[in-house]
Amino acid sequence: DAGVIQSPRHEVTEMGQEVTLRCKPISGHNSLFWYRQTMMRGLELLIYFNNNVPIDDSGMPEDRFSAKMPNASFSTLKIQPSEPRDSAVYFCASSLLGTGAGLANIYEQYFGPGTRLTVT
Amino acid sequence: GEDVEQSLFLSVREGDSSVINCTYTDSSSTYLYWYKQEPGAGLQLLTYIFSNMDMKQDQRLTVLLNKKDKHLSLRIADTQTGDSAIYFCAERTGGYQKVTFGTGTKLQVIP
Repeated sequence: DAGVIQSPRHEVTEMGQEVTLRCKPISGHNSLFWYRQTMMRGLELLIYFNNNVPIDDSGMPEDRFSAKMPNASFSTLKIQPSEPRDSAVYFCASSLLGTGAGLANIYEQYFGPGTRLTVT
Repeated sequence: GEDVEQSLFLSVREGDSSVINCTYTDSSSTYLYWYKQEPGAGLQLLTYIFSNMDMKQDQRLTVLLNKKDKHLSLRIADTQTGDSAIYFCAERTGGYQKVTFGTGTKLQVIP
């Protein structure tokens, strides 16, 4: 498996522009997470989906941010309009939520390589 | 509430042991994890421990869990330059997969 795929790897845009980040989770995984990493705030969970349904979006900073998961193999994180303070590395991660507890399922999250976003 | 705290930076000499510490606040944590982030990459699971365990050893790695004090530590024996990275402590609580990550500890290994 290719692992979690994110695109683009780098994005430079001007303030006010719309930015769309893309993620393809590992095939067969049923949970997907979007994180943001900055020096000041560390790693923040923005939103996560289970079976394509958003479960918790309490980490989304404001209405300028939106995320969708139209099917099991694709998700987008959109920022409109973008601002300089949105500059960060955005990670997508996927995981398999099993139906039983125990040693067989430790709910490991597999992270993509990240998208480095710079808003000028 | 969920809050996971770590010191920001640790520097050790090659060949020495490294100990990275973490404190968490949610006593209902079920799994606790250590993830490693190398420069320019995403996080990778390094090891984990169930909340009903006190210790777990995996080659050069030893994880200690003190549930009473809500303290988790990661010991790396014979630290190598390749161990230089950011190490994140994380806890999982609740029925779904929400995992709360710590702030990360940057480990610098001096040759």
